[in-house]
Amino acid sequence: DAMVIQNPRYQVTQFGKPVTLSCSQTLNHNVMYWYQQKSSQAPKLLFHYYDKDFNNEADTPDNFQSRRPNTSFCFLDIRSPGLGDAAMYLCATSREPKETQYFGPGTRLLVL
Amino acid sequence: GQNIDQPTEMTATEGAIVQINCTYQTSGFNGLFWYQQHAGEAPTFLSYNVLDGLEEKGRFSSFLSRSKGYSYLLLKELQMKDSASYLCAVRDKDSNYQLIWGAGTKLIIKP
Repeated sequence: DAMVIQNPRYQVTQFGKPVTLSCSQTLNHNVMYWYQQKSSQAPKLLFHYYDKDFNNEADTPDNFQSRRPNTSFCFLDIRSPGLGDAAMYLCATSREPKETQYFGPGTRLLVL
Repeated sequence: GQNIDQPTEMTATEGAIVQINCTYQTSGFNGLFWYQQHAGEAPTFLSYNVLDGLEEKGRFSSFLSRSKGYSYLLLKELQMKDSASYLCAVRDKDSNYQLIWGAGTKLIIKP
């Protein structure tokens, strides 16, 4: 089945220790998104790639970076995680920006 | 400004019908989505409206009125597994077609 996969599902890191979250998709979609979602809040878009074009949201902290080495994979790097970065990180894809977004299962990040 | 409003929490009884409302203010409306999100899981797509009217999909229906900036999600024959948060999101062409999200309505189903 075509799908969006995120690894790991749960990630524990230490304050200030870099961490990378990964997302892969078999849908062959052009657009990949990274969202941060905290409990009982709306998902917050961090950035997205349209093919190789990177689009950063204006209020995304510099601490967050992303890489998309090919169509299938996208990574979220958090260079120096703080306690406030503990959240669910959601990867989503869509064929085109105007089309429906489909989400992976998410990675829950805990910062100690 | 851009804003999505939906109730924080609703309670309904198994087997009943519930309507979850969403009002929005966006500058470049280009479609409205409803997603279901179970606790600790990712959102899953439920429905999409871009024209006024009702879209029906099994037990779930979604309605849109663009002139009123209003949508609702109607869930019929409620089941315990419908306990989840329901997120309303509006696609905004003035924001590169990104989704503007509501905070979600937590639906609690009681036996």
